[in-house]
Amino acid sequence: DADVTQTPRNRITKTGKRIMLECSQTKGHDRMYWYRQDPGLGLRLIYYSFDVKDINKGEISDGYSVSRQAQAKFSLSLESAIPNQTALYFCATEREYEQFFGPGTRLTVL
Amino acid sequence: RKEVEQDPGPFNVPEGATVAFNCTYSNSASQSFFWYRQDCRKEPKLLMSVYSSGNEDGRFTAQLNRASQYISLLIRDSKLSDSATYLCVVNKVGGGKLIFGQGTELSVKP
Repeated sequence: DADVTQTPRNRITKTGKRIMLECSQTKGHDRMYWYRQDPGLGLRLIYYSFDVKDINKGEISDGYSVSRQAQAKFSLSLESAIPNQTALYFCATEREYEQFFGPGTRLTVL
Repeated sequence: RKEVEQDPGPFNVPEGATVAFNCTYSNSASQSFFWYRQDCRKEPKLLMSVYSSGNEDGRFTAQLNRASQYISLLIRDSKLSDSATYLCVVNKVGGGKLIFGQGTELSVKP
């Protein structure tokens, strides 16, 4: 079984819809991250959490929100999706600077 | 200036070739350095950490030059399976996060 899982793996939605991307981990790591990846721009940090009570904005948090429901779960929400949020989204956990990524969610906003 | 910058790609090389990637980072106080590998449409995975004295793992050699603030990755005897995007990663000073370069794509041809 994968240590970091993401659901859904693919999603197509329309502008204005609310979308939630979910991430679960069985690695027991406190630190979790959400990134988006766009061609030519690399990985950009959206939000991160160092433990259940600690949530921080990354470099591109506008238009996104997160919830850390438990050590193992970290969800990313798009309150009102827009087309430029079309991207590949990765969740990751971290221990001692090594990050472990989920398989990614490919989101398309029409 | 970007915090982490990599050679533009793609690099197209024949099997058996030696190829080198360079990466520069802007914050001289950075302490931790890594190379991650990302296969097409897959999640990034840690390839190797980069130590001050340089380190080798099979056909892969990583070097750090603190004075010039650059990191390199050398791949000897390239294999078809080395085709991927290589991400240079540096820790965010004071922030406990990692900063990813935009990646350099390598394509190894028969």
